[in-house]
Amino acid sequence: GAVVSQHPSWVICKSGTSVKIECRSLDFQATTMFWYRQFPKQSLMLMATSNEGSKATYEQGVEKDKFLINHASLTLSTLTVTSAHPEDSSFYICSALPQETQYFGPGTRLLVL
Amino acid sequence: EDQVTQSPEALRLQEGESSSLNCSYTVSGLRGLFWYRQDPGKGPEFLFTLYSAGEEKEKERLKATLTKKESFLHITAPKPEDSATYLCAVQQAGTALIFGKGTTLSVSS
Repeated sequence: GAVVSQHPSWVICKSGTSVKIECRSLDFQATTMFWYRQFPKQSLMLMATSNEGSKATYEQGVEKDKFLINHASLTLSTLTVTSAHPEDSSFYICSALPQETQYFGPGTRLLVL
Repeated sequence: EDQVTQSPEALRLQEGESSSLNCSYTVSGLRGLFWYRQDPGKGPEFLFTLYSAGEEKEKERLKATLTKKESFLHITAPKPEDSATYLCAVQQAGTALIFGKGTTLSVSS
C-alpha cells in the first residue's frame, strides 16, 4: 500500500504559540490530501481537504484562520495550528489519495499547555 | 442526516472465538465502504474497500461483506494480535469519508 508520513509525531507547546505539522506522501504523488482530528475514544473528524496549488476546503465549524493549510507540492501538505490553546490538544491525522483509497499517516499528538 | 453506526462499541473475545462486527449506514449515493484497523496512538491502516451489495473480500482471518444497509467484518479464529479498533467509513460523491466511532476488539489468549 501507499505510504504517508507525518512529522512530528509528538509536539508539546505553550498556549499562544503556533505549531506546524507536515504530511508527506512517500511513494506517490497526491493532488489531494485530507486533515482529520481525533479526540480520545472518538472517531476521526474531517477538518479540511487540501488541494495542491489551490486553497483548502474547510468543513463547517473549522476556523480556516486558525488551522492554516498549505499544499505546495504533490507530496507535501502542512497544517499550522495558529495561536494554539489547550482545547486544540488532539490527535491530528492526515491522509492522501493515490487512487480510490485514502491512506493515513501515523498521526501527530499535540498537547497545548 | 448521513450516518455511520458501528456495533458493538467494544468486544472481548477469547483466542479462537470467531465473531462479527457491524457497520450500518444511512447515506445517499454510496461510492464505497471502507474498513480500517487502528492501533492505539497510530493512524488507521487500510483493510478493505467494498463497492456494491453482495461484494465480499478476505484477508487472512478477516472477511468483509456488504449489503445495501450494512457491512460486517467477520473475524475467524482471532489471535491476540488482532486486538485493535476497527473503523468503518463510507464515501459519498467526492472523496470525503464519514467514519463511524469504531469497535474496540480485545482478544485474550
